[in-house]
Amino acid sequence: AQSVAQPEDQVNVAEGNPLTVKCTYSVSGNPYLFWYVQYPNRGLQFLLKYITGDNLVKGSYGFEAEFNKSQTSFHLKKPSALVSDSALYFCAVRGNAGNNRKLIWGLGTSLAVNP
Amino acid sequence: GAVVSQHPSWVICKSGTSVKIECRSLDFQATTMFWYRQFPKQSLMLMATSNEGSKATYEQGVEKDKFLINHASLTLSTLTVTSAHPEDSSFYICSAPWESTDTQYFGPGTRLTVL
Repeated sequence: AQSVAQPEDQVNVAEGNPLTVKCTYSVSGNPYLFWYVQYPNRGLQFLLKYITGDNLVKGSYGFEAEFNKSQTSFHLKKPSALVSDSALYFCAVRGNAGNNRKLIWGLGTSLAVNP
Repeated sequence: GAVVSQHPSWVICKSGTSVKIECRSLDFQATTMFWYRQFPKQSLMLMATSNEGSKATYEQGVEKDKFLINHASLTLSTLTVTSAHPEDSSFYICSAPWESTDTQYFGPGTRLTVL
């Protein structure tokens, strides 16, 4: 069965420091991997995705993520965190088999960037 | 990125009444849309897949007679919460996959409060 794990409920980091939000997945076949960010009382905003190609994917707002097939991970990273990055981050995966576009979601990680 | 709108952004209704939420893809066509429910500080729960021109596909445990979905056109899906009760109070979010990018884009969400 397909699944996504975000092992940390909350990540705290000081402004200016690098941040990492972890995600591991389990899916049959080649995965489509996504990161979304949610600000309070708002919908989700797309940050970045991996479908094929370079393992290091760059996305919006200076975020990037590295696809690691051997570790089945897709951790989200940013070299220097901003207070405005404080939000809820979701990792999601979709298998590429068939025509099923449903995403499987992690439980989310709350990122707090302290000034 | 692509734009998906939702209306209304918030609604308060009395118990027993019905509420309709609209989801529109503004700059692309979507044969499929997804409806999610989100409880405070929790992940997304997929309720159903809305299919243009055919019946929606409901996830296990979601009452199709209570949460009516209509996908009337390639840019509009509606979710009607019938005979709403306080336990239906939640944040409802729709998404639409933009097929050419293999990415789902989300509406801003609708906060439903049933008194």
